[in-house]
Amino acid sequence: KNQVEQSPQSLIILEGKNCTLQCNYTVSPFSNLRWYKQDTGRGPVSLTIMTFSENTKSNGRYTATLDADTKQSSLHITASQLSDSASYICVVGGSNDYKLSFGAGTTVTVRA
Amino acid sequence: DTGVSQNPRHKITKRGQNVTFRCDPISEHNRLYWYRQTLGQGPEFLTYFQNEAQLEKSRLLSDRFSAERPKGSFSTLEIQRTEQGDSAMYLCASSLSISPYEQYFGPGTRLTVT
Repeated sequence: KNQVEQSPQSLIILEGKNCTLQCNYTVSPFSNLRWYKQDTGRGPVSLTIMTFSENTKSNGRYTATLDADTKQSSLHITASQLSDSASYICVVGGSNDYKLSFGAGTTVTVRA
Repeated sequence: DTGVSQNPRHKITKRGQNVTFRCDPISEHNRLYWYRQTLGQGPEFLTYFQNEAQLEKSRLLSDRFSAERPKGSFSTLEIQRTEQGDSAMYLCASSLSISPYEQYFGPGTRLTVT
């Protein structure tokens, strides 16, 4: 059972435009939520991490939000660049501090 | 480069052969994790070590899979009698036990079983 659902599965945007990715989770109890960026053929790289008490976290042009009540998170990419083309994975940590629940990812393609 | 490294980056093997992958974690990290990722999916947990002790194994880790971390530093993942279904990206990550949320991933080993 997949406890982390991401949408959309993929999207295409023009360079310079903004986009928002969604993540819904059912992991309980909830400990923390991370967004990772994964370039094709590479390992995931952490963008942001939030605990249940945090509502928003920014990392440059990436801004993540978290609503622990509705169990939803979003990742907003501002002024997209060609290098933003990648898969963005939502990862939720629960009661086990080592076991993470991964979403399937949203593939973002930025076109010139 | 002081990040997590994995070797080889790519491996093509014939069905039935054995393969072994290596992961070198960030030097001060005492936890090491192995994940498997298939196309279009997020990584799936396989197993993890704290120092040299293997503390958890997923049901995904069949009898053909074995992982070791003999000196609490690098780790190896061996797959015996490979099957086509083993084709995937095998990711290694490491962290400190005091901050297990902060898992740093390696570049992965892409396995193709023909």
